[in-house]
Amino acid sequence: DAGVTQTPRHEVAEKGQTIILKCEPVSGHNDLFWYRQTKIQGLELLSYFRSKSLMEDGGAFKDRFKAEMLNSSFSTLKIQPTEPKDSAVYLCASRGQQDTQYFGPGTRLLVL
Amino acid sequence: GEKVEQHESTLSVREGDSAVINCTYTDTASSYFPWYKQEAGKSLHFVIDIRSNVDRKQSQRLIVLLDKKAKRFSLHITATQPEDSAIYFCAASDYGSSGNKLIFGIGTLLSVKP
Repeated sequence: DAGVTQTPRHEVAEKGQTIILKCEPVSGHNDLFWYRQTKIQGLELLSYFRSKSLMEDGGAFKDRFKAEMLNSSFSTLKIQPTEPKDSAVYLCASRGQQDTQYFGPGTRLLVL
Repeated sequence: GEKVEQHESTLSVREGDSAVINCTYTDTASSYFPWYKQEAGKSLHFVIDIRSNVDRKQSQRLIVLLDKKAKRFSLHITATQPEDSAIYFCAASDYGSSGNKLIFGIGTLLSVKP
């Protein structure tokens, strides 16, 4: 049974670049979440989709962060333009009928 | 909206002792409280949860207690082993206008010393 997959696992970008992170949720899960994890801020919710509809777009993250669900089994998170403060681990999670969220392995982003 | 405070940022115990991690929440409407474990360099892994219709739940060496009056919940790890060393996150559900989300605590780094 495949869990949540994320690609790439590591990404290095120059300041000002556009990067796209990808996530495939657990098959059959209708809810998908994007989080950013840093040591200082902990886990911050960036976006939340329910059945491909955007329920939460992360307030302060709106201007340079855009998440999309292209279909029920694929989501992207675009950061444009990147800034050094975006360096973090980006986690994707999905949820089915139960309340439990299952996390992917994450993408470690370094912006120089 | 919901806020979750995780009281211990670090915790160190000897192998075989018990470890207790405490969290408090603010929204009386919260009804679902999961715990996640994150080992070094890895992602979050679900370990146990509790819902507001019970005040205690056990899964092997993990016990979760919920005190709804005090808006407090805790994770007890009994007979700790070195492989329990990790960061543990508590979370509480937030049933706001934008759907059902989780609000996470900042995490507790547990070290189990042999």
